[in-house]
Amino acid sequence: GAVVSQHPSRVICKSGTSVKIECRSLDFQATTMFWYRQFPKQSLMLMATSNEGSKATYEQGVEKDKFLINHASLTLSTLTVTSAHPEDSSFYICSAPGTGHTGELFFGEGSRLTVL
Amino acid sequence: GQQLNQSPQSMFIQEGEDVSMNCTSSSIFNTWLWYKQDPGEGPVLLIALYKAGELTSNGRLTAQFGITRKDSFLNISASIPSDVGIYFCAGLAVKAAGNKLTFGGGTRVLVKP
Repeated sequence: GAVVSQHPSRVICKSGTSVKIECRSLDFQATTMFWYRQFPKQSLMLMATSNEGSKATYEQGVEKDKFLINHASLTLSTLTVTSAHPEDSSFYICSAPGTGHTGELFFGEGSRLTVL
Repeated sequence: GQQLNQSPQSMFIQEGEDVSMNCTSSSIFNTWLWYKQDPGEGPVLLIALYKAGELTSNGRLTAQFGITRKDSFLNISASIPSDVGIYFCAGLAVKAAGNKLTFGGGTRVLVKP
């Protein structure tokens, strides 16, 4: 399967600072990537669709100014949590569609954000 | 938004037992996927299903795409301790915009004490 890598895997930051999470497709190109947020013991919640070369598409209720997404190349999408607050603490996971069957998503390792 | 009903929410297994979980929806799906997530990790794709009635195996795992296209099940045979984790079903609905998957709530598989 396709390999998706995220960095950092864990990050702790102070309230009010911004944090950038990177998502890379290692052995394939991805014109689209998806960013999810996962709360403890819950399923994955889609935040936004990252589109290479154009603006991201955000799901209802997700603040685009809080969660900045940049998809600058066919192998890299970044999520920046701006002016982070403790309620932004969560597990953020990116994914990308493989080059095979429609619908198959391959996930990164996830990034645990803790805002103090 | 669209929901997939996944059951059971959690289950305890004893080594050697067979395990079964399923997902149902009121909508029709073109693709069913089963993922496993270990603590602190991203989900890993286990099995993908593309045709109604399709039965696919991956080692001790077997999954089926329901004939009605509204359900799928996953079986794990002869469970072992490393089968512990959270299993998610996911589907691509017929009218899914932007190829967005819908996820079930997850089945947490735990080892019997």
